[in-house]
Amino acid sequence: SSELTQDPAVSVALGQTVRITCQGDSLITYYASWYQQKPGQAPLLVIYGKNNRPSGIPDRFSASSSGDTASLTITGAQAEDEAEYYCKSRDSSGDHLVFGTGTKVTVL
Amino acid sequence: EVQLVQSGAEVKKSGESLKISCKGSGYRFTSHWIGWVRQMPGKGLEWMGTIYPGDSDTKYSPSFQGQVSISADKSTSTAYLEWSSLKASDTAMYYCARLDKTTADVSEYWGQGTLVTVSS
Repeated sequence: SSELTQDPAVSVALGQTVRITCQGDSLITYYASWYQQKPGQAPLLVIYGKNNRPSGIPDRFSASSSGDTASLTITGAQAEDEAEYYCKSRDSSGDHLVFGTGTKVTVL
Repeated sequence: EVQLVQSGAEVKKSGESLKISCKGSGYRFTSHWIGWVRQMPGKGLEWMGTIYPGDSDTKYSPSFQGQVSISADKSTSTAYLEWSSLKASDTAMYYCARLDKTTADVSEYWGQGTLVTVSS
């Protein structure tokens, strides 16, 4: 079972803002990275570190963190943002990487 | 351009062995950890383990320790994921991913995935 917990699903109206959270003890020590996965595709890195976006990722994606919870925010959600989102970080021992349980984002 | 190219889909029977591959190009293969990720049908992503091709240091996530074997061949810039005796429950999509150099936590580059189907 995952040591990083996410809400199973969230929905957001087109153009509105949605926040996805990832909770786990290891997040007090380690940053989370965030991955977007659309059906039939490999995961895509959207945010890493404190709040860094790889080249080509729109600036409507941002990250924050407080205590044992990391968050991914999509400001002005677009239809193409509809996907499954996973956080990833270290487990509580720090020795292994672990994914969150995943959040399905629906854009209405 | 960094690329990870995985081997093609496999259909096997329970009890058979299998080795799938992930060939890296466009970067120094020996300088980045590579990991393997499982995604069972309709389920989430699971980190299986990582290997550092420079010295073959390998780390397995607890759920996968003893279940699979990860290896790498520096001469061909290829990482491998291997099973000695497949089970139906190994049916899944498997991805390889390159980790960043700084923290070895971030996976910016991914293979296209290898679908493994195991029939009982």
